[in-house]
Amino acid sequence: DQQVKQNSPSLSVQEGRISILNCDYTNSMFDYFLWYKKYPAEGPTFLISISSIKDKNEDGRFTVFLNKSAKHLSLHIVPSQPGDSAVYFCAASAYPNTGNQFYFGTGTSLTVIP
Amino acid sequence: DAGVTQSPTHLIKTRGQQVTLRCSPKSGHDTVSWYQQALGQGPQFIFQYYEEEERQRGNFPDRFSGHQFPNYSSELNVNALLLGDSALYLCASSFSTGARTEAFFGQGTRLTVV
Repeated sequence: DQQVKQNSPSLSVQEGRISILNCDYTNSMFDYFLWYKKYPAEGPTFLISISSIKDKNEDGRFTVFLNKSAKHLSLHIVPSQPGDSAVYFCAASAYPNTGNQFYFGTGTSLTVIP
Repeated sequence: DAGVTQSPTHLIKTRGQQVTLRCSPKSGHDTVSWYQQALGQGPQFIFQYYEEEERQRGNFPDRFSGHQFPNYSSELNVNALLLGDSALYLCASSFSTGARTEAFFGQGTRLTVV
């Protein structure tokens, strides 16, 4: 039962343009969402998070938007840079309902073309 | 400040054997979680350790067991290995504050069962 879904396995964007990565979830109890970036042969690196009491959180070039009614979140990267090429995972949790575990999507591979 | 470190980085085992993976959390972190990432999938929660006890467990069989030591480091043990246990095993550490907080991941141990 995949509670967090990333329906786009891959995305290609030109350098300098906006990258938009999408994530949907099914568990309405999720109240904390995160994005992780993963390079090959490395572990996931935390990027940005958002609590369900907010609908937007911004950190430099990265902005996460949360639409609770649609159970949808997105990560915007502006402007995109070649170094952003990686696999991006969204994750969700619902402490204490689901405990301390994060539920991850299957990832979206972003390629930023120079 | 060392981040999360895992050993070994790669491991090849034969079906039916037992394996032990090790993790040292980020300095100041007291909680360790283990995840399994199969090829093309997102990380799946195995279990979490806090104060040397298993605090929560995901949907994994009893062949998967763990331990946390007084210095917060942790081990993941898998008995009676199956071919399907081949995956990247990720350790994540965090500080248990009761509040929402991100987890920091190690680079993972790539386990291949032949």
